[in-house]
Amino acid sequence: RKEVEQDPGPFNVPEGATVAFNCTYSNSASQSFFWYRQDCRKEPKLLMSVYSSGNEDGRFTAQLNRASQYISLLIRDSKLSDSATYLCVVNMAGSQGNLIFGKGTKLSVKP
Amino acid sequence: DVKVTQSSRYLVKRTGEKVFLECVQDMDHENMFWYRQDPGLGLRLIYFSYDVKMKEKGDIPEGYSVSREKKERFSLILESASTNQTSMYLCASLTGLGTDTQYFGPGTRLTVL
Repeated sequence: RKEVEQDPGPFNVPEGATVAFNCTYSNSASQSFFWYRQDCRKEPKLLMSVYSSGNEDGRFTAQLNRASQYISLLIRDSKLSDSATYLCVVNMAGSQGNLIFGKGTKLSVKP
Repeated sequence: DVKVTQSSRYLVKRTGEKVFLECVQDMDHENMFWYRQDPGLGLRLIYFSYDVKMKEKGDIPEGYSVSREKKERFSLILESASTNQTSMYLCASLTGLGTDTQYFGPGTRLTVL
């Protein structure tokens, strides 16, 4: 069932850099897609949903390619506070809210 | 704001003890979940519940049981704790009404000695 794959990183980037995370999912029945953020020793929190048309929230842009079963997250102008683990998450219709989490990609933004 | 609380942030138990982890949400959510999170393994679903007194096994239910006597409370029980159950335990909830966003509690870091 575990078919959400992410590069674990870590990605070490300087402040101001642009960084992209990729994620693939294996189940074509997946219907909803998300990026969660998890700070060290904290719980995961929703960063943004991912829509077929792509969506942007400030410095963050998420994209979905259903044909390739591929999701991406782009962070522009990285800040120190962006340092966290980013979890790719998918959901299938009728799954009663069961989300399938990737193992996460760790980002470290350095001064 | 949705609030999901867990009874303890840190817990230390001995092998063989019975352990109760409590989770409470204050938003009348239908669905609740218990996960454990381990380095390199990510989040793994233990059990979930979509209604009072209803429960479903997740990916790794062995060694665990759950209880949902009230809508707002979902308990995870380790009948006889073992060292391989040392982990971070996370509870989550969502409304179950067409939304998919899970809200997580702060987690309980359990150490079994």
